[in-house]
Amino acid sequence: AQSVTQLGSHVSVSEGALVLLRCNYSSSVPPYLFWYVQYPNQGLQLLLKYTTGATLVKGINGFEAEFKKSETSFHLTKPSAHMSDAAEYFCAVTYNQGGKLIFGQGTELSVKP
Amino acid sequence: GAVVSQHPSWVICKSGTSVKIECRSLDFQATTMFWYRQFPKQSLMLMATSNEGSKATYEQGVEKDKFLINHASLTLSTLTVTSAHPEDSSFYICSARDRGIQGPYNSPLHFGNGTRLTVT
Repeated sequence: AQSVTQLGSHVSVSEGALVLLRCNYSSSVPPYLFWYVQYPNQGLQLLLKYTTGATLVKGINGFEAEFKKSETSFHLTKPSAHMSDAAEYFCAVTYNQGGKLIFGQGTELSVKP
Repeated sequence: GAVVSQHPSWVICKSGTSVKIECRSLDFQATTMFWYRQFPKQSLMLMATSNEGSKATYEQGVEKDKFLINHASLTLSTLTVTSAHPEDSSFYICSARDRGIQGPYNSPLHFGNGTRLTVT
């Protein structure tokens, strides 16, 4: 069965520090991978996605993620955290199943001043 | 950009009553919409896939008679929580995929802002 695992339910960084949110997936077929951000009491906003082609994907708000097939990973990074980055982040994957998304457990990012 | 409007954003109802939540795609057509449920500090759980003009497909363990889904047009899907109970209190989120974008599996979903349901 396909699954997504986000390591660390909570990550705390200082403002200006590197942000690294980890995501690993299990799949027997090529996946399509996404990162979404959720602010309190709101829906999800797409940060970036990987489908095919370049494995380093750049998204909004300075985030990027690299698809590493050998490691079955799609970690999200940002060089310098900003206070406004504090939110819940979800990694998600979809396969050839009508487009249903499978979400990871989510990682709450806190940014300290 | 594509906008999905979800209404209401929050609702409080009494146990035993029914509540309807609307999900509209404002600037695109969506043949498929998805309904999720999210508990506090947890991930999104897919409840059902709503298909325009046909019956919804429910995930295992989701009661279709409890959570009625209607997708009557290309821009509107509704979720009705029937005979609500306190355990139905949750955050419900819908999402939609633009039918006009090629490659349904890699075009992103657009999410509504969610509905906070509290059953007293």
